[in-house]
Amino acid sequence: DAGVIQSPRHEVTEMGQEVTLRCKPISGHDYLFWYRQTMMRGLELLIYFNNNVPIDDSGMPEDRFSAKMPNASFSTLKIQPSEPRDSAVYFCASSLEAGRGRSEKLFFGSGTQLSVL
Amino acid sequence: AQTVTQSQPEMSVQEAETVTLSCTYDTSENNYYLFWYKQPPSRQMILVIRQEAYKQQNATENRFSVNFQKAAKSFSLKISDSQLGDTAMYFCAFMSAWGGAQKLVFGQGTRLTINP
Repeated sequence: DAGVIQSPRHEVTEMGQEVTLRCKPISGHDYLFWYRQTMMRGLELLIYFNNNVPIDDSGMPEDRFSAKMPNASFSTLKIQPSEPRDSAVYFCASSLEAGRGRSEKLFFGSGTQLSVL
Repeated sequence: AQTVTQSQPEMSVQEAETVTLSCTYDTSENNYYLFWYKQPPSRQMILVIRQEAYKQQNATENRFSVNFQKAAKSFSLKISDSQLGDTAMYFCAFMSAWGGAQKLVFGQGTRLTINP
């Protein structure tokens, strides 16, 4: 398996523009997570899905952020409108549901470096 | 809510030395998982080692080992015979084993530099 795939690897945009980050989880994984990493706040969980259903979105900073998982192999994180303080690395991760001999280990993508000017 | 604290923002040692990174956490749960992740300059998050809270034996993976003190809620990482490739950010993380909440809570990280 190719692992968790994120695109784009880098995104530079201007304030006010819409940004869409994409993620393809590992095939067969039950959970998908979106994390944001900044120098000031470290790694923060934004939202996670279980079997394509959003379970906890309490980490989504504000209404400008939205995430969808239309099917088991694809998720998007959208920021509209973007602001300079949204500049960060955004990671997607996926995992199997723990128990029944399965591992709870999270597999991370390579992240998207977002710069909002 | 669970919290994870790494009190050492930066550490630096010479190659081949042993280094220990500290981590404490706060939880009211009895069953959970603890992890150390490595993030090299490539940005990739790499799992170094994991510990299940109900296991008393400390986890070991080659040169990496942990000192898990459940009562003290402490989970330190020891790197033996450090190598230049160990230079990276290291994150301690907590995951509840209850209710299917498989989300990771991370500490702020420790930047480790191995000097030649």
